[in-house]
Amino acid sequence: DTEVTQTPKHLVMGMTNKKSLKCEQHMGHRAMYWYKQKAKKPPELMFVYSYEKLSINESVPSRFSPECPNSSLLNLHLHALQPEDSALYLCASSHWGSPGQNNSPLHFGNGTRLTVT
Amino acid sequence: LAKTTQPISMDSYEGQEVNITCSHNNIATNDYITWYQQFPSQGPRFIIQGYKTKVTNEVASLFIPADRKSSTLSLPRVSLSDTAVYYCLVGRWGGYNKLIFGAGTRLAVHP
Repeated sequence: DTEVTQTPKHLVMGMTNKKSLKCEQHMGHRAMYWYKQKAKKPPELMFVYSYEKLSINESVPSRFSPECPNSSLLNLHLHALQPEDSALYLCASSHWGSPGQNNSPLHFGNGTRLTVT
Repeated sequence: LAKTTQPISMDSYEGQEVNITCSHNNIATNDYITWYQQFPSQGPRFIIQGYKTKVTNEVASLFIPADRKSSTLSLPRVSLSDTAVYYCLVGRWGGYNKLIFGAGTRLAVHP
């Protein structure tokens, strides 16, 4: 069990579908992250939210649209995906603080396995 | 961004101590070193984190030399369940900092 919950665990979608991935945490973390992981590769950073505002976008195509409706929730809206977008999508969270504070590691969910057909 | 280099894979046997070294030559003053473990189809799991010298917890030790340009994760007496990918991350947490994974080390523990 993890403290970051991702739903659904598995998702199959066609290239014309619209779907959303959801992530929830109740640890009071104010930084939340989306990573994408292909088979046998390390996770790749996609987006970072700080205090519900998008702070980092790693040049992700616009067919991926993140949303942070409140401090506990993070969504990833998917539209017109390509088969090469099939991957494990991981959500993570951490504390957000200032220099001098103790570092806080990332807490990951177990991901959503996405297959685009 | 501090780039990390780790061995691609390692093999060990049950009961042995395993040391995995990560190189991070351009680590910044405020960067921490964090290690994660990942099993197939699961998210990475935090193992240990340090800034300098030695850190030990119930599952691992982390050795960091004075120049901080490398670090070594030490797993005592590994078991089959320690077979996983181990990632070294260098950086600072927080919403404006990119935490980038390196290639990771695939550890295989044999009976």
